[in-house]
Amino acid sequence: ETGVTQTPRHLVMGMTNKKSLKCEQHLGHNAMYWYKQSAKKPLELMFVYSLEERVENNSVPSRFSPECPNSSHLFLHLHTLQPEDSALYLCASSPDLGGEHQPQHFGDGTRLSIL
Amino acid sequence: AQKITQTQPGMFVQEKEAVTLDCTYDTSDPSYGLFWYKQPSSGEMIFLIYQGSYDQQNATEGRYSLNFQKARKSANLVISASQLGDSAMYFCAMRAGIQGAQKLVFGQGTRLTINP
Repeated sequence: ETGVTQTPRHLVMGMTNKKSLKCEQHLGHNAMYWYKQSAKKPLELMFVYSLEERVENNSVPSRFSPECPNSSHLFLHLHTLQPEDSALYLCASSPDLGGEHQPQHFGDGTRLSIL
Repeated sequence: AQKITQTQPGMFVQEKEAVTLDCTYDTSDPSYGLFWYKQPSSGEMIFLIYQGSYDQQNATEGRYSLNFQKARKSANLVISASQLGDSAMYFCAMRAGIQGAQKLVFGQGTRLTINP
């Protein structure tokens, strides 16, 4: 079983739909992250959570709404998305925020396509 | 601001040869960590190797080693005896910052193709 699990792996939705991406980590980590990976662009950090509190929101449009009910779970609620939101969405976790020596452990990602 | 630059969009290497993937970085923080990740076509980002800014020796993990040249601000990944399964995207990344949430900043990536 992988340390960070994301569901679904693939999602196709219309611009008026509402859906949610789920991330679960089994590593006992306290920090969780959402990244967006678009074609030919570096990974973009979207949100950072530490001990269930949001510590960073990287100027992400309000049509993306994160939720962290506990330190093991992270959700990304989607509504009224645009075609340019089609991308691979990656979840990651790390033991905590502090420590430049700590790698982040990633899930397999959710490949999102907006029709 | 932190920045990672990977100048090789694509690399083609024969199986069993060694390959070096370039990475340069820019930061004003004295303490930072450098990471390499592998991303196969399945999408998962797999952590490969880490180098700390104060580490005296170059990091090694199996067939992976990191050629860390601090004065040049470079952290090249060396893969020895390449295998077909090494074909993937490779990302160099950096964490820096003393206070607050420490971001992981990624480069554009290099697509490595191993030919049989």
